[in-house]
Amino acid sequence: GQNIDQPTEMTATEGAIVQINCTYQTSGFNGLFWYQQHAGEAPTFLSYNVLDGLEEKGRFSSFLSRSKGYSYLLLKELQMKDSASYLCAVRDKDSGYALNFGKGTSLLVTP
Amino acid sequence: DVKVTQSSRYLVKRTGEKVFLECVQDMDHENMFWYRQDPGLGLRLIYFSYDVKMKEKGDIPEGYSVSREKKERFSLILESASTNQTSMYLCASTPRGAWESPQHFGDGTRLSIL
Repeated sequence: GQNIDQPTEMTATEGAIVQINCTYQTSGFNGLFWYQQHAGEAPTFLSYNVLDGLEEKGRFSSFLSRSKGYSYLLLKELQMKDSASYLCAVRDKDSGYALNFGKGTSLLVTP
Repeated sequence: DVKVTQSSRYLVKRTGEKVFLECVQDMDHENMFWYRQDPGLGLRLIYFSYDVKMKEKGDIPEGYSVSREKKERFSLILESASTNQTSMYLCASTPRGAWESPQHFGDGTRLSIL
């Protein structure tokens, strides 16, 4: 199985930068996804990392260190609409296409 | 755009009823998944399927079964609904052979068992 840990809640100010961390333990890492989920809505895909390093996509970036079992999602120039839950999900070689999700980090952006 | 459609947004059923949740995707994806999402517990995998007629148990299959008679449709069945199955149910799909492809989710069914 896998243990995936993320902070439960975070608060940040509009216009600022926030980093959401995710640590995981797995015997056969095969990719990590970040999703955004607004209240009452479906999760939507943000980023995918399978190799070490930083993937940048507009205001959002995601970083992976496989040796440390660690990823973070970086959100820049925060906007009020970024208030949402952010889900870290890990795929394991033994589980095929199935994902194991962390419990999610609820981000509140304040004016 | 991938479209994953769940038959109901809200559903209220009684204890002991047999409940069917339906999910249809329009992108010819081989892989389909059923999750439930509960506050403080996150998304947990119930069942998944890699092809028609195939099914695999996820982390919490007890009390559930599934059916995949056609490639585009994946049904979740609560054989005898209980109050602890009150939850948000999410269906997802992804294509085979593209490891970088994310799972695409439906809008969810909020199920209440009274």
